[in-house]
Amino acid sequence: DAKTTQPPSMDCAEGRAANLPCNHSTISGNEYVYWYRQIHSQGPQYIIHGLKNNETNEMASLIITEDRKSSTLILPHATLRDTAVYYCIVRVRAGGTSYGKLTFGQGTILTVHP
Amino acid sequence: GAGVSQSPSNKVTEKGKDVELRCDPISGHTALYWYRQSLGQGLEFLIYFQGNSAPDKSGLPSDRFSAERTGGSVSTLTIQRTQQEDSAVYLCASSLEGRGTFTGELFFGEGSRLTVL
Repeated sequence: DAKTTQPPSMDCAEGRAANLPCNHSTISGNEYVYWYRQIHSQGPQYIIHGLKNNETNEMASLIITEDRKSSTLILPHATLRDTAVYYCIVRVRAGGTSYGKLTFGQGTILTVHP
Repeated sequence: GAGVSQSPSNKVTEKGKDVELRCDPISGHTALYWYRQSLGQGLEFLIYFQGNSAPDKSGLPSDRFSAERTGGSVSTLTIQRTQQEDSAVYLCASSLEGRGTFTGELFFGEGSRLTVL
């Protein structure tokens, strides 16, 4: 799976948008971009994923650049409960059936402050 | 059940003892993963099951670690002759891979915290 690069930490004011960047310059055409987060003392939680189109769900938006070498996760109105480690992961969809392992990097520690 | 269930939630053991950690995946999920997370560290992949077979065991750190899955459901991670460096939170996840329309999303349990004295 392609390596990703994320800033180690970011701050955001409550109620403002949090924009978390991720570089994946060696991504392949069959690799998806996934975002997970891990709130302290909990298991990781899926947020969103995409291939090349921008995606939006009830939690966040994912913006992928046209060349697919980077992406941004957007939390539109951050709350204190969004304080967590955010992981950007690229992952092969192998043969349409089995994905295989998800490799977590160090992620970005997002701190939302009042 | 509604989510991935792991037991025990906490386990304290003495160095040299064997431990078993259990994972009950979400019903119908074909794929099951084990990860571990040491204090202040990232998630380390251990093993991946598709059904009852384990096509990827590359993350098991030594032959003291083994895992099995029966009936395409429950999985047990066994650590023999535990060492202090085995202390970590062991996380299990399951996924609907290989069945119809799926997103590749992994659903994680809350983990089993292992402390080896």
